[in-house]
Amino acid sequence: SQTIHQWPATLVQPVGSPLSLECTVEGTSNPNLYWYRQAAGRGLQLLFYSVGIGQISSEVPQNLSASRPQDRQFILSSKKLLLSDSGFYLCAWSRGLAGASSYNEQFFGPGTRLTVL
Amino acid sequence: GENVEQHPSTLSVQEGDSAVIKCTYSDSASNYFPWYKQELGKRPQLIIDIRSNVGEKKDQRIAVTLNKTAKHFSLHITETQPEDSAVYFCAADPGGYQKVTFGTGTKLQVIP
Repeated sequence: SQTIHQWPATLVQPVGSPLSLECTVEGTSNPNLYWYRQAAGRGLQLLFYSVGIGQISSEVPQNLSASRPQDRQFILSSKKLLLSDSGFYLCAWSRGLAGASSYNEQFFGPGTRLTVL
Repeated sequence: GENVEQHPSTLSVQEGDSAVIKCTYSDSASNYFPWYKQELGKRPQLIIDIRSNVGEKKDQRIAVTLNKTAKHFSLHITETQPEDSAVYFCAADPGGYQKVTFGTGTKLQVIP
């Protein structure tokens, strides 16, 4: 069976500090991977998605970046955090078909709750 | 790109009543329409989905309808229970190399 891991679960960081959130998927290969941010009481904002190693699409210009160094690893980073970066960060995966979406369910990780002070 | 609008943003119903959440989308290429439920502090999870070649799908107390001509789809929950209280998200997926677009969410409260 497939599982998705995210860490850390919670994080409190000062403004201006760097960030690295990691997401890994087990039990599948060549998944589509996604990073979402959810502000308190708000919807899901897609930040990045990837259909393969080294292939990253950015949805929102900001001080965040993403990388996919391995097939089932997705990393969200920042060099300098802003107050507005606080939120609930969710990683998700879906089955890809030859690198393309095949109309499939997204499976979300447990999330990382980030507070920037 | 795709734009998904979801209404209402909040919905309160008495236990046992029905709840309806509606979504519209803009990209006629979208062919997959999932619904996710997110309980407080938890991750979103798929509760039902529908593909473009189907007009309606039902799973126990939950049903989804799709009108491709009008570009709208709806979630229907009958005989609501307190455990149905959560935020519900609709989404539209055009497939290929395009991303899934989520609606803004509906916070459903079922009053015992």
